[in-house]
Amino acid sequence: GAGVSQSPSNKVTEKGKDVELRCDPISGHTALYWYRQSLGQGLEFLIYFQGNSAPDKSGLPSDRFSAERTGGSVSTLTIQRTQQEDSAVYLCASSLGNGDTQYFGPGTRLTVL
Amino acid sequence: GENVEQHPSTLSVQEGDSAVIKCTYSDSASNYFPWYKQELGKRPQLIIDIRSNVGEKKDQRIAVTLNKTAKHFSLHITETQPEDSAVYFCAASKGDYKLSFGAGTTVTVRA
Repeated sequence: GAGVSQSPSNKVTEKGKDVELRCDPISGHTALYWYRQSLGQGLEFLIYFQGNSAPDKSGLPSDRFSAERTGGSVSTLTIQRTQQEDSAVYLCASSLGNGDTQYFGPGTRLTVL
Repeated sequence: GENVEQHPSTLSVQEGDSAVIKCTYSDSASNYFPWYKQELGKRPQLIIDIRSNVGEKKDQRIAVTLNKTAKHFSLHITETQPEDSAVYFCAASKGDYKLSFGAGTTVTVRA
């Protein structure tokens, strides 16, 4: 079946602009995660959605970052007033439920000029 | 929060030799330890995982060992092949959703 998909695959933006990154999880997966991978670094947890529960936003680095998940499926990560330090690969993952194996999407490479 | 350290950051091995990557974690409540492989430009993919009720798990040429007392776990790849070249990440969690990742090990298998 289809895996996790993300769009766009690459995004180049100017400092100060807003960007939206999209994630389509595996069908039937109730849990969805966003991570950030900076060059040469590991994956940094950003936010977690599980069903209809309130999301865990504890990993969001600043209030310029927000995310939503509509209808328990597609998720959008929004970064407002982008800064150069926001440049990274943003990875989305989904799992069947809490604590199950996380399957990753291909990521969105964000470059802020 | 959980802190995971991974060593070495780079590893070069001759084809056919073994590769070992080690990770330590700080939170004794962690009980789930997956390993992900990320080829250049590709998504991370789970290759093996272990839970704290076992000390070792094998899957063909890959094995993971866990020492809960010392709070460290290791990935062992035997009979390395060129397709094993990739970045490998360890992670730890308390069995819930929040995975804490190591910084990664770049493995290069020399033909």
